[in-house]
Amino acid sequence: GENVEQHPSTLSVQEGDSAVIKCTYSDSASNYFPWYKQELGKRPQLIIDIRSNVGEKKDQRIAVTLNKTAKHFSLHITETQPEDSAVYFCAAASGGYQKVTFGTGTKLQVIP
Amino acid sequence: GAVVSQHPSRVICKSGTSVKIECRSLDFQATTMFWYRQFPKQSLMLMATSNEGSKATYEQGVEKDKFLINHASLTLSTLTVTSAHPEDSSFYICSARRSQGNTIYFGEGSWLTVV
Repeated sequence: GENVEQHPSTLSVQEGDSAVIKCTYSDSASNYFPWYKQELGKRPQLIIDIRSNVGEKKDQRIAVTLNKTAKHFSLHITETQPEDSAVYFCAAASGGYQKVTFGTGTKLQVIP
Repeated sequence: GAVVSQHPSRVICKSGTSVKIECRSLDFQATTMFWYRQFPKQSLMLMATSNEGSKATYEQGVEKDKFLINHASLTLSTLTVTSAHPEDSSFYICSARRSQGNTIYFGEGSWLTVV
């Protein structure tokens, strides 16, 4: 089955700096890669996603890149703000999105 | 955006009893719903995939007779924890795959405490 690895597990950045979270996946059939932000005790919120026919996608301060050959994808947050502090999960899906495998999560702390 | 509602948000039950958690897609049809369990400070662990009108597919190690899943309509899936034990206490969360676009949305989650 699919295996998704996520690094780092924790990340602290100064407000205004950039944050990068990286994920690798094992199943070459995976073709959908969403990123979720989860605050403590709350539901994960979809923040951005990318499909395998696209190499990069950007939405304001958030961007995701995908390298299908290397089987890795990354989340980039620029100009970080304290409200960006949360746990971020990457995920990979395949088989008509019948199964979604999550990474282990990254706890991001933005220091004011 | 699309809304997935999960109920109850918190439930306390006695050991040996059963508890049902509902997951509803409010403004879209979801042919597939997923049930996850999340321990504190850990990732979401997929328990089962629920397809409307068919039996759920359980992940390895998940007891299908203990965690009963029913997906009777395109907008509702239920998870019933039967004969609950304290070790079943956890945060259970569902997600629904929107048929159009295939985007996945999460419910609010349910905190289950078995005493």
